[in-house]
Amino acid sequence: DGGITQSPKYLFRKEGQNVTLSCEQNLNHDAMYWYRQDPGQGLRLIYYSQIVNDFQKGDIAEGYSVSREKKESFPLTVTSAQKNPTAFYLCASSIVLVPSYNEQFFGPGTRLTVL
Amino acid sequence: AQSVTQLDSQVPVFEEAPVELRCNYSSSVSVYLFWYVQYPNQGLQLLLKYLSGSTLVKGINGFEAEFNKSQTSFHLRKPSVHISDTAEYFCAVRGKNYGQNFVFGPGTRLSVLP
Repeated sequence: DGGITQSPKYLFRKEGQNVTLSCEQNLNHDAMYWYRQDPGQGLRLIYYSQIVNDFQKGDIAEGYSVSREKKESFPLTVTSAQKNPTAFYLCASSIVLVPSYNEQFFGPGTRLTVL
Repeated sequence: AQSVTQLDSQVPVFEEAPVELRCNYSSSVSVYLFWYVQYPNQGLQLLLKYLSGSTLVKGINGFEAEFNKSQTSFHLRKPSVHISDTAEYFCAVRGKNYGQNFVFGPGTRLSVLP
């Protein structure tokens, strides 16, 4: 089955610690994305990548970092610089970034809680 | 830049009743329009999308949406809802220009009551 996997499903972190969220896709998609979801705010784009070894900041990149060393993988690191990291994080992919009519496919999400 | 408004944060409706979830957008360029559904603690799943052509778009699970360019709206409808339709629904737009990212609305929580 083709799809996007995210792990872990639930993650707890102490303040001041960095944590990495995993995202893997076997859809052979070029573009990958990370979103943050907070209640009542919809989805906000953190980072996106069009191709291996290339990525761009989204609307709320501060306190986050990513890498794209393989086409299938796009891990997100939530650093201690992120002031309010507790949220639901969603990874998505699309065939390519353009043309823009291509829909995004989403993973099941990771719920991060900072204790 | 684009923005998306979903005026109703919550919509309760009885089973087998019709429902309409409203979506309005603003954009300085032409856009593609999407509706996604999210079940509790899950990712988003595409319901339908409007690219061009007929303004009435049919999607999965019996949902349909109508694009109205003059009112910049893309309302989602279903003639008869089921308990299993209880979920959060997101309207999204994407500019047709190169490099435009998705812009999501805040979501509407649909609760179907028995």
